[in-house]
Amino acid sequence: GAVVSQHPSWVICKSGTSVKIECRSLDFQATTMFWYRQFPKQSLMLMATSNEGSKATYEQGVEKDKFLINHASLTLSTLTVTSAHPEDSSFYICSAHPAEKLFFGSGTQLSVL
Amino acid sequence: AQSVAQPEDQVNVAEGNPLTVKCTYSVSGNPYLFWYVQYPNRGLQFLLKYITGDNLVKGSYGFEAEFNKSQTSFHLKKPSALVSDSALYFCAVRDTTDSWGKLQFGAGTQVVVTP
Repeated sequence: GAVVSQHPSWVICKSGTSVKIECRSLDFQATTMFWYRQFPKQSLMLMATSNEGSKATYEQGVEKDKFLINHASLTLSTLTVTSAHPEDSSFYICSAHPAEKLFFGSGTQLSVL
Repeated sequence: AQSVAQPEDQVNVAEGNPLTVKCTYSVSGNPYLFWYVQYPNRGLQFLLKYITGDNLVKGSYGFEAEFNKSQTSFHLKKPSALVSDSALYFCAVRDTTDSWGKLQFGAGTQVVVTP
């Protein structure tokens, strides 16, 4: 089946620094990828839709200057959490849909100290 | 607007017994329905989907789900649960007119299977 690879699996950073998370489609091309955020014991919330070669589409309430998304190729989307603060600590998951279902990356646990 | 309800925060079942995880949905049009499973600190793994066709859908790891349009339900079932089935299960719905990313997820149901 299709594989979505996400890196890193976990990251710890100091408040004020920026963190980049990568999402790759390993065996298919993805013109669109999706970024979700998940708080402990809660469901996934769509943050933004990453579009290859164009600007990302952000959901209401998501700060686009805080969460920078770049989709420079058909197999790679990146999410950069800029000037991270403790409230940005969360589990971030990317996904793509090569067929009639979404495939998810393994997620990135971000802890901001 | 679409929504998903998973009425149980947690389901406890003994190994070997039947497992049911409930899900009801609401969409304005026709639904695409999904079940995903999540293990601790991991992404979501696809279990099964209903797009069209037979109401009984068979998926991975012996799971199945039945689409019931009149009751707007899509309950997940497994005839004989295993300890390794202990995980967090999410039901999700997408209106056929929405983009693929706009899956609406339920709050999740923690399944605990005891030996």
